[in-house]
Amino acid sequence: KAGVTQTPRYLIKTRGQQVTLSCSPISGHRSVSWYQQTPGQGLQFLFEYFSETQRNKGNFPGRFSGRQFSNSRSEMNVSTLELGDSALYLCASSLHGDSNQPQHFGDGTRLSIL
Amino acid sequence: GENVEQHPSTLSVQEGDSAVIKCTYSDSASNYFPWYKQELGKRPQLIIDIRSNVGEKKDQRIAVTLNKTAKHFSLHITETQPEDSAVYFCAAIFKGSARQLTFGSGTQLTVLP
Repeated sequence: KAGVTQTPRYLIKTRGQQVTLSCSPISGHRSVSWYQQTPGQGLQFLFEYFSETQRNKGNFPGRFSGRQFSNSRSEMNVSTLELGDSALYLCASSLHGDSNQPQHFGDGTRLSIL
Repeated sequence: GENVEQHPSTLSVQEGDSAVIKCTYSDSASNYFPWYKQELGKRPQLIIDIRSNVGEKKDQRIAVTLNKTAKHFSLHITETQPEDSAVYFCAAIFKGSARQLTFGSGTQLTVLP
């Protein structure tokens, strides 16, 4: 079974631009969560989607948004990019919505802001 | 606020020795505690998890113990090998946070040959 697939793997943008990242969960998984990983702040939760509904959102500004499609694929969007948005963006999927289900991560998208 | 503290931040052991990483959490109602291993440039990989109704879980050389009263859980790796070298993250899901994982700050484990 294929794992979590994230595209693109690498992305370079400039300040003020916007970006869309994509995540395809493991087949049959319905929950998708997004995390930001930086050396200074570690792994931080962005948001989680289940059945096309955002169930929880982390402490990030409104420039960070996301959505989930009926096939469980998810996208996250960051508008008006800032230098501090440079990070590895990871998505994780799990089978269903119970809180004690394992979450499996993709390889991430490395976003660099110039 | 809800948080997870992880210690130590770095750990070096000789090959064949055991390694122990400890995490404490703030919310006694937490019910799920996974551990992830992340090698340089790779994804966090789930290596073991434990639920609040279990005190200990083993998988070959890896074990996790949970002390709900003291609100801490630990990762134990026995007979360490050089390929165990990586950053290890503990995490917890706090009650009411849906599926939000709150991570510890990570432990860089180095196994010396």
